[in-house]
Amino acid sequence: SAVISQKPSRDICQRGTSLTIQCQVDSQVTMMFWYRQQPGQSLTLIATANQGSEATYESGFVIDKFPISRPNLTFSTLTVSNMSPEDSSIYLCSVAQGYYGYTFGSGTRLTVV
Amino acid sequence: QKEVEQDPGPLSVPEGAIVSLNCTYSNSAFQYFMWYRQYSRKGPELLMYTYSSGNKEDGRFTAQVDKSSKYISLFIRDSQPSDSATYLCAMSASGSARQLTFGSGTQLTVLP
Repeated sequence: SAVISQKPSRDICQRGTSLTIQCQVDSQVTMMFWYRQQPGQSLTLIATANQGSEATYESGFVIDKFPISRPNLTFSTLTVSNMSPEDSSIYLCSVAQGYYGYTFGSGTRLTVV
Repeated sequence: QKEVEQDPGPLSVPEGAIVSLNCTYSNSAFQYFMWYRQYSRKGPELLMYTYSSGNKEDGRFTAQVDKSSKYISLFIRDSQPSDSATYLCAMSASGSARQLTFGSGTQLTVLP
């Protein structure tokens, strides 16, 4: 299965600032997925990033808040913009594995103060 | 009501015990069922997946799906301290990530 490197692993940020999270895959993939994992809650899909097209956002997530780049088939970034304490969470990128499993990066643990 | 319900635990068992982890769901269209294991400060890793009803075994792990009861289980035999992690169920109607619904996870600790 693919190996995903995600950076940074954790960060503490001031409210009102932005953080860009990077996701690097060791093989070419068509789609990359960005998730949020809040404490005690299930993983929630933020958006799907396709190379060469705009990301597809899920209900409750908007491009202005979570802009995504996908410059090539092995790399994507997610930016969390104008952060508030409610954005404190773990952010994960993921790619498809096999027929319907998914491989995840180690996550970025974000704390907004 | 959540679409997927999972007992958050925490669950603590002695080494060697049989562990049963469960999820219930409400969407009868779900056909693809997965279990992920997530160690502390790591991303989830796929443990087992099953299509439709039935059992699937892989080493010490057995996944069961009972679609009539909308209930899935993961059994761990001869549990080891290295099994200590959070276990997440996930399911979808189509297998697409856009339709993948996760449980909130059960935290398991296996005591040596």
